[in-house]
Amino acid sequence: DTEVTQTPKHLVMGMTNKKSLKCEQHMGHRAMYWYKQKAKKPPELMFVYSYEKLSINESVPSRFSPECPNSSLLNLHLHALQPEDSALYLCASSPRGVNTEAFFGQGTRLTVV
Amino acid sequence: AQRVTQPEKLLSVFKGAPVELKCNYSYSGSPELFWYVQYSRQRLQLLLRHISRESIKGFTADLNKGETSFHLKKPFAQEEDSAMYYCALRTMGGKLIFGQGTELSVKP
Repeated sequence: DTEVTQTPKHLVMGMTNKKSLKCEQHMGHRAMYWYKQKAKKPPELMFVYSYEKLSINESVPSRFSPECPNSSLLNLHLHALQPEDSALYLCASSPRGVNTEAFFGQGTRLTVV
Repeated sequence: AQRVTQPEKLLSVFKGAPVELKCNYSYSGSPELFWYVQYSRQRLQLLLRHISRESIKGFTADLNKGETSFHLKKPFAQEEDSAMYYCALRTMGGKLIFGQGTELSVKP
């Protein structure tokens, strides 16, 4: 299995809702990432987990809360989002080590209403 | 500062023409550089990494540390090469940072 799987594919949520995005990989990768991508823009790094520990938080607002329950799963908990948070949220994973490839999921298209 | 610059937002060429997508980087350490491609409605995927010096789908990229560049080249563009191309830098701390992207359009 060489895929990163993200669920759901699409999500519409209100500004008072709480929802979670899920990401799963079974490639044994020990680095996992969350990115946010707006239309026609590059992916912007949000969080990096290394060996299930949060290693990088790119000053992301606390309404986004990541969680890595085990080496195969990565969640992104969402609460009290704003319409400007609407975007494609990408998960990626890679082996640790130099020059290793990052594998990306298809993303979750999030719309905040 | 860690930065990746792709100066062209859009590059339009005719089929069979050579193509060069420019990428410059700024990083004080030893860079790991990659080219990623995103075809329409598909996930982002790796095209090339600098360490392997390989040719994928006819594309090559050479790291020039003196000019801090990692330009992507193909001698004869094909219509199926039309996509968004991102140059990316991985830092020693584990960040994977993307340039702004260049949309390549290959016309018949």
